[in-house]
Amino acid sequence: KQEVTQIPAALSVPEGENLVLNCSFTDSAIYNLQWFRQDPGKGLTSLLLIQSSQREQTSGRLNASLDKSSGRSTLYIAASQPGDSATYLCAVPRGFQKLVFGTGTRLLVSP
Amino acid sequence: EPEVTQTPSHQVTQMGQEVILRCVPISNHLYFYWYRQILGQKVEFLVSFYNNEISEKSEIFDDQFSVERPDGSNFTLKIRSTKLEDSAMYFCASQREGVSTDTQYFGPGTRLTVL
Repeated sequence: KQEVTQIPAALSVPEGENLVLNCSFTDSAIYNLQWFRQDPGKGLTSLLLIQSSQREQTSGRLNASLDKSSGRSTLYIAASQPGDSATYLCAVPRGFQKLVFGTGTRLLVSP
Repeated sequence: EPEVTQTPSHQVTQMGQEVILRCVPISNHLYFYWYRQILGQKVEFLVSFYNNEISEKSEIFDDQFSVERPDGSNFTLKIRSTKLEDSAMYFCASQREGVSTDTQYFGPGTRLTVL
């Protein structure tokens, strides 16, 4: 059974800091890993999808890495801004379809 | 940019009542999903739907739940007799193809409150 865990559960940083969010999964036989952003009371916005054959994927100030063999992914956010404040979720598919989500990291970036 | 839409944004109902949550997936997508998130908990998979039938469902998705694609655009989740524990945020998602290169796109969610 696939279990996805994220640490830390919450993170508070001043604006401008670079930060790393961690995601670990127990079954390394994954096709991809997806990072989402969730604003309070809102839906899920896909940030990055990294394929199992890739080691990194970048979008703007975001960089996701994937190490399948160790069951880990990191989301690096450069030069954080108050607008980055949200909950960040990672998810891996069981098979091609059903996503298994992590517990999330709640990020607060202070001006 | 195309997006998944859901209605209503918030639904309040009495225990035992039937509710229908509606979703309009992205138009050229073929795979559809419902997930839910109980307050403070993980997002959980409920059901996937392809080619007018359920392709997978979780143990949460019991006989009280059903899904339907009544026309070419809507995708609905029906809960026949709501329970207090059905209170949650329900997310619809769609995917162009059920392959590993494809992102699942999520709607904004419907908050269901069962009193």
